[in-house]
Amino acid sequence: GENVEQHPSTLSVQEGDSAVIKCTYSDSASNYFPWYKQELGKGPQLIIDIRSNVGEKKDQRIAVTLNKTAKHFSLHITETQPEDSAVYFCAARNNAGNMLTFGGGTRLMVKP
Amino acid sequence: EPEVTQTPSHQVTQMGQEVILRCVPISNHLYFYWYRQILGQKVEFLVSFYNNEISEKSEIFDDQFSVERPDGSNFTLKIRSTKLEDSAMYFCASSVIGDQGFGPGTRLTVT
Repeated sequence: GENVEQHPSTLSVQEGDSAVIKCTYSDSASNYFPWYKQELGKGPQLIIDIRSNVGEKKDQRIAVTLNKTAKHFSLHITETQPEDSAVYFCAARNNAGNMLTFGGGTRLMVKP
Repeated sequence: EPEVTQTPSHQVTQMGQEVILRCVPISNHLYFYWYRQILGQKVEFLVSFYNNEISEKSEIFDDQFSVERPDGSNFTLKIRSTKLEDSAMYFCASSVIGDQGFGPGTRLTVT
């Protein structure tokens, strides 16, 4: 089955700096890669996703890149703000079903 | 914006007892899911449900677990005889096709 690894597990940046979180996956059949943000006491919230026919996708300060050959994808947050502080999860899914396999999460702390 | 809702937010139960966790998915969604997250660990898939039947399930989803959509709005997860290791956050999610929206979770504590 699919295995998703996520790094780093914690990331601390100064407000205004960029943050990058990386994930690798094992199943070459995976073709959908969402990123979720989880704030304390809440469920994961989808913030951006990318499908395997696209190499990069951007939404304001958030971007995601995908390298299918190397089987890795990354989340980039620019101009970080204190409200970006949360746990971020990557996930992967293949066409065979709707099951998401999650990475272990990254705790992002943005210091004012 | 419509959201997935879950009740209760926290459930405490004794080992061996049955629990039912409830979810109200987003109204026009067709696929429903349960995930769990043991403290400090990954979010893990349990089961997906479509067209009134289970479409996928993981190894975690054994005979102690069942799901039901008893009416047009609710989606429930039942654990027949809870064990200590069932203590976790349980998240319900729903989707039209791909983009899964998650509820806030139910924290289940088994003592």
